[in-house]
Amino acid sequence: NAGVMQNPRHLVRRRGQEARLRCSPVKGHSHVYWYRQLPEEGLKFMVYLQKENIIDESGMPKERFSAEFPKEGPSILRIQQVVRGDSAAYFCASSPLWGVKGYTFGSGTRLTVV
Amino acid sequence: GESVGLHLPTLSVQEGDNSIINCAYSNSASDYFIWYKQESGKGPQFIIDIRSNMDKRQGQRVTVLLNKTVKHLSLQIAATQPGDSAVYFCAEIGETSGSRLTFGEGTQLTVNP
Repeated sequence: NAGVMQNPRHLVRRRGQEARLRCSPVKGHSHVYWYRQLPEEGLKFMVYLQKENIIDESGMPKERFSAEFPKEGPSILRIQQVVRGDSAAYFCASSPLWGVKGYTFGSGTRLTVV
Repeated sequence: GESVGLHLPTLSVQEGDNSIINCAYSNSASDYFIWYKQESGKGPQFIIDIRSNMDKRQGQRVTVLLNKTVKHLSLQIAATQPGDSAVYFCAEIGETSGSRLTFGEGTQLTVNP
């Protein structure tokens, strides 16, 4: 029973390129959450999605960032025209129901913008 | 604004000692708290949780204490082991938070053999 799978584990992008981070939730989980962690800081909420719906995107930057969770396939966090300040670890979590019970985190994608 | 923060950024203990990690929160509407452990290169791992209608909860070698009067949360680890070395975060969720967690900034626990 695999946990939350994120890929790639490490991603290097040049400034101005696009970054695509993928998250496959725990099998049977229909709720996905994305968090960002800057070095030596706690995780900051970005977005909460259910299948084909964005439920809460209050933590998403207004520009360049988008997220989706299609009916089929993994959830995608997309960052366009990356800048050095986007360098961080991005964590995905999933849960079977609304709320934090059974909230499982993936191992994260470490994005480095050079 | 609302925040969850930790008193100490680092804590170093001897193997076998008890560890206490503290957390302060400012949102009086918080009603659910969680402690996570994060090892290097990994995602947060659930340790223990507590609801605001409780003041103490015990797990295996861990105890969480909640003092709502002073908005303080602590994690006690008994007989600390080298494998406990990690960064520990408290997180909270409140009535208006939906499913999103607000994390503190973390305490690095180092266990010396």
